[in-house]
Amino acid sequence: EVQLKDSGGGLVQPGGSLRLSCAASGFTFSSYAMSWVRQAPGKGLEWVSSISGSGGTTYYAGSVKGRFTISRDNSKNTLYLQMNSLRAEDTAVYYCAKWPLVDYWGQGTLVTVSS
Amino acid sequence: EIVLTQSPGTLSLSPGERATLSCRASQSVNSSYLAWYQQKPGQAPRLLIYAASSRATGIPDRFSGSGSGTDFTLTISRLEPEDFAVYYCQQYGSSPPFGGGTKVEIK
Repeated sequence: EVQLKDSGGGLVQPGGSLRLSCAASGFTFSSYAMSWVRQAPGKGLEWVSSISGSGGTTYYAGSVKGRFTISRDNSKNTLYLQMNSLRAEDTAVYYCAKWPLVDYWGQGTLVTVSS
Repeated sequence: EIVLTQSPGTLSLSPGERATLSCRASQSVNSSYLAWYQQKPGQAPRLLIYAASSRATGIPDRFSGSGSGTDFTLTISRLEPEDFAVYYCQQYGSSPPFGGGTKVEIK
């Protein structure tokens, strides 16, 4: 059974940092690109960042470029998102997703940026 | 970039009625890379349709997708109570990938 388990969300002050993790199981993790997709309260889905199966290629939305870093550890079947210089507008539920056709999603982890 | 515009924003219908949701692209999209997702409150999205018209595993046949080029449609032939949700289209060949969503609500 394929599972993606997001974790690492929480309350952080503006300008702070947080690292999200996504533990994958049930499929050959290193064979698939992965992404983070977020959803602000009451809003639609917003793609944040993607990484190739090997980890050698990364992509970022303009809104997070230079502040967020996506990475993966294929030996641990885990995807990461390092989020720095957080802003109020980064407040959202963050989902990890098997990419680009998302047949599997994590359950989501809530990031709240507030003082 | 190719922008996906979904319409209407909200669709108010009764159970048993037919729902027709539109996803229009600003430029032609390879139909092999067009998907539809359903999202219910508090849940992650669920894949319904991929390659514009292929149903994902376990998806009932009342859901169907069609279209090509710049115009794509998701049709729910007869709404069941569990179908009231938000629906998103996605182009999984370029960025930004998602449309803004259509909410199907009970009339």
